[in-house]
Amino acid sequence: TQLLEQSPQFLSIQEGENLTVYCNSSSVFSSLQWYRQEPGEGPVLLVTVVTGGEVKKLKRLTFQFGDARKDSSLHITAAQPGDTGLYLCAATSGTYKYIFGTGTRLKVLA
Amino acid sequence: DAGVIQSPRHEVTEMGQEVTLRCKPISGHNSLFWYRQTMMRGLELLIYFNNNVPIDDSGMPEDRFSAKMPNASFSTLKIQPSEPRDSAVYFCASRSGQGLEAFFGQGTRLTVV
Repeated sequence: TQLLEQSPQFLSIQEGENLTVYCNSSSVFSSLQWYRQEPGEGPVLLVTVVTGGEVKKLKRLTFQFGDARKDSSLHITAAQPGDTGLYLCAATSGTYKYIFGTGTRLKVLA
Repeated sequence: DAGVIQSPRHEVTEMGQEVTLRCKPISGHNSLFWYRQTMMRGLELLIYFNNNVPIDDSGMPEDRFSAKMPNASFSTLKIQPSEPRDSAVYFCASRSGQGLEAFFGQGTRLTVV
């Protein structure tokens, strides 16, 4: 069974701080996605990475896919209260089936 | 487009009752997914439809769960009989044939007492 472990599980930081969230697996994936989920809503896609070593930036968010395509990181610079939410990674080995990670619950305090 | 629409948003029912959750995917999307989210197990894929045909139902927990997609614009997930351990948020998501992005609905929060 493929598993995606995310760390940390919970993170509470002050506005303006930087943070990194990790998504790790022992399996190789063809693509990996990051979603953000706010309370009472469904997950919303932030980014998709498909190439080993790929780096994508979305404003203050930087996403990296590991060289071996087994892991990924999400770095947020100068976090803001609006970044608060549940961050989920999801990965697939090339089929329709995306496996979701365990999630990182982020709270940014003003 | 209004996005993926799920109903009801909240459902409270007694153990043993039948529960039906509904989903309207985004128009033109030919893939539809039902997920269940709990604190303990996270987001789990229950069933996947492609062009209205169930392709993979290996995530459906028991025979008490069933899903249908009678046409491209409507799907249901039914639990009969419901049990307290079925309490969770159930999400429907749809995706276009060529895309990688799944669009999620707002979910149905089910509580079985």
